[in-house]
Amino acid sequence: NAGVTQTPKFQVLKTGQSMTLQCAQDMNHEYMSWYRQDPGMGLRLIHYSVGAGITDQGEVPNGYNVSRSTTEDFPLRLLSAAPSQTSVYFCASSRGTAAYTEAFFGQGTRLTVV
Amino acid sequence: AQSVTQLGSHVSVSEGALVLLRCNYSSSVPPYLFWYVQYPNQGLQLLLKYTSAATLVKGINGFEAEFKKSETSFHLTKPSAHMSDAAEYFCAVSDGDNTDKLIFGTGTRLQVFP
Repeated sequence: NAGVTQTPKFQVLKTGQSMTLQCAQDMNHEYMSWYRQDPGMGLRLIHYSVGAGITDQGEVPNGYNVSRSTTEDFPLRLLSAAPSQTSVYFCASSRGTAAYTEAFFGQGTRLTVV
Repeated sequence: AQSVTQLGSHVSVSEGALVLLRCNYSSSVPPYLFWYVQYPNQGLQLLLKYTSAATLVKGINGFEAEFKKSETSFHLTKPSAHMSDAAEYFCAVSDGDNTDKLIFGTGTRLQVFP
């Protein structure tokens, strides 16, 4: 079972570059989300989606874009990378709303912006 | 908005000793509460969750947590620590205004010494 797959696992970007972090799940989950994890700050919600074609902002959305064209995929785009976006990014999916069902996490993408 | 506070960013115990990881929530209504575990270089995995069915919740790997409304607490315990319990533990709460969102604490890193 693949579960939630994130690519790439590691990435180094120069300031101002753009890139897309990929996230795919094979569990037919409606709900997907992106978090960033920074030391001493836990996980903070960037964007989330409750189904294909529907996205909404989380706690720290600035500098990131998302789209949800299919149930399986939920890519996160960095428009113009900044050193403050150096972080570990996690994608998660769940069958229903996060409050009622277990969220399954990918293994993370470690991003460094220089 | 809901929030959770985890007291102690690092906890160290000896193998076989009691594990106690503290979590307090802020909520004016009974929340949905969760504990997740993150092993090194992996994503998060659900340990247990409270959804108002029972105040004492049992999870995987021998962990349990007790919901105490009077203390607004949801502390995680395990009677006897094992070396394999070494990981980072996150308390989380569902956003009362929008149950699609999970709000995470800052995490507690558990070290287990032989």
